[in-house]
Amino acid sequence: SQKIEQNSEALNIQEGKTATLTCNYTNYSPAYLQWYRQDPGRGPVFLLLIRENEKEKRKERLKVTFDTTLKQSLFHITASQPADSATYLCALKTVSGGSYIPTFGRGTSLIVHP
Amino acid sequence: SQTIHQWPATLVQPVGSPLSLECTVEGTSNPNLYWYRQAAGRGLQLLFYSVGIGQISSEVPQNLSASRPQDRQFILSSKKLLLSDSGFYLCAWSDGRGSYEQYFGPGTRLTVT
Repeated sequence: SQKIEQNSEALNIQEGKTATLTCNYTNYSPAYLQWYRQDPGRGPVFLLLIRENEKEKRKERLKVTFDTTLKQSLFHITASQPADSATYLCALKTVSGGSYIPTFGRGTSLIVHP
Repeated sequence: SQTIHQWPATLVQPVGSPLSLECTVEGTSNPNLYWYRQAAGRGLQLLFYSVGIGQISSEVPQNLSASRPQDRQFILSSKKLLLSDSGFYLCAWSDGRGSYEQYFGPGTRLTVT
């Protein structure tokens, strides 16, 4: 069966360090992968999209890698700040009936300590 | 700019009562629209999506239904709520013209008692 796995344990890091979150998937051939940020009680906010033919994408302090051989994406936040504390979700998009259907992982909670 | 609205923000309903949640999008036309549910400690579960007026695809068979009476309006309904329907309901839209990021509304917290 198809699965998206994100570490269910919270990641605790010190301010200024690089946070690295992992998204693994099985039995998917995603056209592309996205990362979202979700704060408690709010809807997810889109951060980055990476396509299957791209290895890496950057946006300010964020970097995403996509390895279709390992079936894994890594999400990095450099120079992390307490304001980066949130749950980060990865999402894959596959095709169903001609439409792109998104599937989300459960998310990993990031806690950045001052 | 585009905005997405959902209401109500919170709702407490007894088991067996009906449900109607509304979502509207402004500032875009012919969006793809989605309803998700997020139960406590769980991921986002896609319930319905729509690529146009009157076109609804269901991802999970259950006692919920969705309708899209207008281009930028998406409604989630139930005739009789179950306890298991409690959760955080999120509406989202994406550009139907090839951009794939989704934009989520503020959500509705539904508690069925």
